[in-house]
Amino acid sequence: AQSVTQLDSHVSVSEGTPVLLRCNYSSSYSPSLFWYVQHPNKGLQLLLKYTSAATLVKGINGFEAEFKKSETSFHLTKPSAHMSDAAEYFCVVSDLGRNNAGNMLTFGGGTRLMVKP
Amino acid sequence: GAGVSQSPSNKVTEKGKDVELRCDPISGHTALYWYRQSLGQGLEFLIYFQGNSAPDKSGLPSDRFSAERTGGSVSTLTIQRTQQEDSAVYLCASSLVLQSNQPQHFGDGTRLSIL
Repeated sequence: AQSVTQLDSHVSVSEGTPVLLRCNYSSSYSPSLFWYVQHPNKGLQLLLKYTSAATLVKGINGFEAEFKKSETSFHLTKPSAHMSDAAEYFCVVSDLGRNNAGNMLTFGGGTRLMVKP
Repeated sequence: GAGVSQSPSNKVTEKGKDVELRCDPISGHTALYWYRQSLGQGLEFLIYFQGNSAPDKSGLPSDRFSAERTGGSVSTLTIQRTQQEDSAVYLCASSLVLQSNQPQHFGDGTRLSIL
């Protein structure tokens, strides 16, 4: 069984300050991990993915995330927030499905990022 | 097309009616997935297709829900005798192949409202 916990439902930062969105996961297998962003009335856009290569993963729009197996964490960071970063962010673990096949995604509850001018 | 396309983008219908939601995946993607996003439940996985086959239907909320995929491309999610608790955004995604390290690409969703 797999699960994802996003530790903060809301995060508010000022424009130009760092962003930290926290995510912890559990998985029975070696998981793949993703961060997706969702802007209002839009689908989910892939920010970055971890698939057992480098533990520090760089994504689009200046975001990056570090996979820490010992802490079962995959926190998302960005050095300097921009107004356009305001959105909802989902940490996702991908694992084998119930029948030991498939590509089942388990989503965290989401973190709404607000950016103040 | 360039991305996953879903239609309609919005659907309002009366309780008890049937609805059909359509998903057109990225060309060449063999795997297709349906999810539901609602306020109380967050994002939940419904069903996936490998080609035209859906090996595991246990994620569907009830027997009023069904999905099919024909020709390895377009998929439809059908909800019969809709109930108010079916109101949600239904998201479709596709990936190149069915592997856990493959990112899924999402459409913008169909916002379903049951009156």
